Amino acid sequence: KQEVTQIPAALSVPEGENLVLNCSFTDSAIYNLQWFRQDPGKGLTSLLLIQSSQREQTSGRLNASLDKSSGRSTLYIAASQPGDSATYLCAVWGNMLTFGGGTRLMVKP
Amino acid sequence: KAGVTQTPRYLIKTRGQQVTLSCSPISGHRSVSWYQQTPGQGLQFLFEYFSETQRNKGNFPGRFSGRQFSNSRSEMNVSTLELGDSALYLCASSLVQSFSYEQYFGPGTRLTVT
Repeated sequence: KQEVTQIPAALSVPEGENLVLNCSFTDSAIYNLQWFRQDPGKGLTSLLLIQSSQREQTSGRLNASLDKSSGRSTLYIAASQPGDSATYLCAVWGNMLTFGGGTRLMVKP
Repeated sequence: KAGVTQTPRYLIKTRGQQVTLSCSPISGHRSVSWYQQTPGQGLQFLFEYFSETQRNKGNFPGRFSGRQFSNSRSEMNVSTLELGDSALYLCASSLVQSFSYEQYFGPGTRLTVT
């Protein structure tokens, strides 16, 4: 059974800092990995999708990497802003989409 | 292009009742998946529909069921509601059967069971 873990569970940083969110998964037989953002009480917004054959994806200030063999992915956020405050979730596609518990990020002005 | 829409957005039901939630995918998307989100269990996969057929199912009791119509709209039904069914129910759509393609989520339906 696939298990996805995200560390840390919560993070508070001052504005402008670069930060890294971590995601690990137990079964490396995945099709892809997707990072999402969730604002309180809202649905999920897709940030980046990395296919299993890819090593990384970039979108603006976001960069996600994937190391399938070690079962790890990282989401790098450059020059963080207060508007980045949200919960960040990673999810892996095996035979179903399995989510991590999320990292709750607070960026202070 | 309009996003994924879910109705209703909020719902309050009594234990023992049944409820039906609706999801309209992004135009052209043929796959719809449903998820339950609770503070204790996080986000859990319920089931996925593609071309009106259930393709995949998570580990939920038979009280949870769904269907998909020919226009790709999907409904989820929960019978004999329990207090533990209180959750945010999210649906997601993707272009084709989901594992290769990006999932786009709706805003969710917040179900409260009293």
